[in-house]
Amino acid sequence: EAQVTQNPRYLITVTGKKLTVTCSQNMNHEYMSWYRQDPGLGLRQIYYSMNVEVTDKGDVPEGYKVSRKEKRNFPLILESPSPNQTSLYFCASSLSADNFYEQYFGPGTRLTVT
Amino acid sequence: AQSVTQLDSHVSVSEGTPVLLRCNYSSSYSPSLFWYVQHPNKGLQLLLKYTSAATLVKGINGFEAEFKKSETSFHLTKPSAHMSDAAEYFCVVSDRGTYKYIFGTGTRLKVLA
Repeated sequence: EAQVTQNPRYLITVTGKKLTVTCSQNMNHEYMSWYRQDPGLGLRQIYYSMNVEVTDKGDVPEGYKVSRKEKRNFPLILESPSPNQTSLYFCASSLSADNFYEQYFGPGTRLTVT
Repeated sequence: AQSVTQLDSHVSVSEGTPVLLRCNYSSSYSPSLFWYVQHPNKGLQLLLKYTSAATLVKGINGFEAEFKKSETSFHLTKPSAHMSDAAEYFCVVSDRGTYKYIFGTGTRLKVLA
């Protein structure tokens, strides 16, 4: 089944403890992206990757890191999480960086930082 | 610069009546526009997209949207609401060459029996 998977689905952590949220797609997509969803704000793009080894900042990159060493994987790294990063996170992928193509979203990761 | 405004944060309709969810956009280049739906505690699913072909776009589950460049709008409509349409809807714009996607703040649709 074609899909985007994220792990973990739920995570509660403490301020300053490094964490990684994994994202993987099995559709051979070039473009991958991370979003956070907060009530009343919709989804905001954190980072995106046009293809392997090429990443760039979205609108809210502060406090996050990403890497794209393989085509299928695009992990999101929080080096020192803070409570304002408590949010619902979505990974997405699309066939290419050309904006003609829709994105396929993962199921989401609910992160709580205390 | 690209931006999206969803004009209503909440919309309530009765089952069987028309649905109208409004979206205005701002774009510097040739935009692609999308509508996604998010059911409670679920991920996002594409309803439909506009990518510079036909201005009237038909999507899944009876939804459609019309791209109006002169009004910078991309409103989502459905002739007859069903209870299963209750969800949050997001309008999204992406300018060609920017590789970025800008989401609206969402419209929560409530369908009354």
